[in-house]
Amino acid sequence: SQQGEEDPQALSIQEGENATMNCSYKTSINNLQWYRQNSGRGLVHLILIRSNEREKHSGRLRVTLDTSKKSSSLLITASRAADTASYFCATDNVDTGRRALTFGSGTRLQVQP
Amino acid sequence: EAGVAQSPRYKIIEKRQSVAFWCNPISGHATLYWYQQILGQGPKLLIQFQNNGVVDDSQLPKDRFSAERLKGVDSTLKIQPAKLEDSAVYLCASSFLAGVSYNEQFFGPGTRLTVL
Repeated sequence: SQQGEEDPQALSIQEGENATMNCSYKTSINNLQWYRQNSGRGLVHLILIRSNEREKHSGRLRVTLDTSKKSSSLLITASRAADTASYFCATDNVDTGRRALTFGSGTRLQVQP
Repeated sequence: EAGVAQSPRYKIIEKRQSVAFWCNPISGHATLYWYQQILGQGPKLLIQFQNNGVVDDSQLPKDRFSAERLKGVDSTLKIQPAKLEDSAVYLCASSFLAGVSYNEQFFGPGTRLTVL
């Protein structure tokens, strides 16, 4: 799989439910970021978690990071129809020293009202 | 503050034609990025500038793609000649800090290119 690969590819839930999406990556990282992209628009930064952090919260968002498993999860609690979007994780690459971010192919979340 | 500006928003061209995209980053942002996002995929970095110098262009198809950021502010990405597989959304992003990865990137709305 690619660096920063999200799972599942698509997720459909009802409003009020929680949504969990996962990201796996292959290299050593300094940090992992999650972005949201509404249809036809640019990406919006949601949250950044550093490699020495295990969990981070921001409003209804909860991100976890397990560097031993090279994986992260994004939890959106009490979802709303407005959360419908594609969600991408992005990582840098300590192994190559490449600071630019590599994005996964995303999870498309549909929240039914 | 004003966000990242891109133009045009949409462009339709025939294969083998040339096209150029323009980006104006957020004022004061040292780092500027161009990404290509093919439908159903995540953005892929094409080129990264720090001020007016190129930091990373390892994934830029240099036989047909070129980019410049002459005065360290706005930037132009050009494709010449275009191929069918260049159909994608071209996203420009900028970030404040130079040379570090732990900073947020701000994205523009993108230019949707269709090559016929």
